[in-house]
Amino acid sequence: AQSVTQLDSQVPVFEEAPVELRCNYSSSVSVYLFWYVQYPNQGLQLLLKYLSGSTLVESINGFEAEFNKSQTSFHLRKPSVHISDTAEYFCAVSVSGGSYIPTFGRGTSLIVHP
Amino acid sequence: NAGVTQTPKFQVLKTGQSMTLQCAQDMNHNSMYWYRQDPGMGLRLIYYSASEGTTDKGEVPNGYNVSRLNKREFSLRLESAAPSQTSVYFCASSDGTSKETQYFGPGTRLLVL
Repeated sequence: AQSVTQLDSQVPVFEEAPVELRCNYSSSVSVYLFWYVQYPNQGLQLLLKYLSGSTLVESINGFEAEFNKSQTSFHLRKPSVHISDTAEYFCAVSVSGGSYIPTFGRGTSLIVHP
Repeated sequence: NAGVTQTPKFQVLKTGQSMTLQCAQDMNHNSMYWYRQDPGMGLRLIYYSASEGTTDKGEVPNGYNVSRLNKREFSLRLESAAPSQTSVYFCASSDGTSKETQYFGPGTRLLVL
């Protein structure tokens, strides 16, 4: 079975600073990788996902994540954060050809300070 | 196109009371899910339904029952609420393949006294 580890439960950062949210997974087969964002008092919504092809995937609001197969990682980065990026971020993995139900990490709370 | 809707948004119950959380999706998705979210625990799958007419247990099914009423609707029932079931409950839907995005409802915040 696959598993996901988000190494940081909370990441405080100042506005306009860069940020990296870390995600590592374990799986013996090919995977699909997702980042979801949850703004306060809302449900989760997809931020970006890696299915195949280019290992660097981008979102419309400036986040990017890189699939690193050798390090089994899918870290999320943004070069300059805004106050509005304050949210909970969840990494998730599902297995190619296997159960379609994703496994979620425990989440990382990104807190952007002015 | 409302996506995934959940009712109610908030609920307070006393220990032992029962209630049903309702969920509906208008995206013609095959699969639907119920999760609970607790601080520091992330999302935990309670039950899921791969398609109309089928339901299966997830990671934490004890104390819950579900009904896939039709392709659109998937309800979660607490027969005898306990304080340990105080949580935020999310319904989600997807096409049911491993590369598909899950679409989440806004959540139901439940407090059991």
